[in-house]
Amino acid sequence: DSGVTQTPKHLITATGQRVTLRCSPRSGDLSVYWYQQSLDQGLQFLIQYYNGEERAKGNILERFSAQQFPDLHSELNLSSLELGDSALYFCASATGTLQETQYFGPGTRLLVL
Amino acid sequence: DAKTTQPNSMESNEEEPVHLPCNHSTISGTDYIHWYRQLPSQGPEYVIHGLTSNVNNRMASLAIAEDRKSSTLILHRATLRDAAVYYCILRDVGAGTGNQFYFGTGTSLTVIP
Repeated sequence: DSGVTQTPKHLITATGQRVTLRCSPRSGDLSVYWYQQSLDQGLQFLIQYYNGEERAKGNILERFSAQQFPDLHSELNLSSLELGDSALYFCASATGTLQETQYFGPGTRLLVL
Repeated sequence: DAKTTQPNSMESNEEEPVHLPCNHSTISGTDYIHWYRQLPSQGPEYVIHGLTSNVNNRMASLAIAEDRKSSTLILHRATLRDAAVYYCILRDVGAGTGNQFYFGTGTSLTVIP
């Protein structure tokens, strides 16, 4: 158990809908990272927040957004969903922004029908 | 971030040592070498990381070539639980843009009982 929690574990929705994925980092970690893992793209970095502020952006679509709240939990919002958005979404946390180990949650499996 | 090259798959017999290679010929002086692994249906987990010297921890050893253009992750006695995809990742400590990881395709390790 990494100490990072993600909810829900599974999510099934329809195209065009909007969903919110939630991540609670390990106690004391200030950084939260979001990754997408699909069969054809592998693990892709989406976005990072550090202490409530966006720190780095990766291959995140404009239809996707995220935020980190004062209690340090983070939410990833996916809107206008397409079939291709079906994937595993992982959240990871770390103490800071340098070479610290990232601890990954169990992931949310999203299926868009 | 500099690129890494790993074999797509490897096999090992249970209770034998496993050497997982990684080539990173374009590594820079400030790139750390990180290894993560992903067990089936789980999020990635940290294995080990290093800069120049060989490193040991309870999970594995990391042997880094003198010119740093390659490294080898060593599992001393493979168990069935070590069957996973192993990712070798370079992270520039001086990048200053966050601590996101760029995962390649990794090496899928099969452990034969």
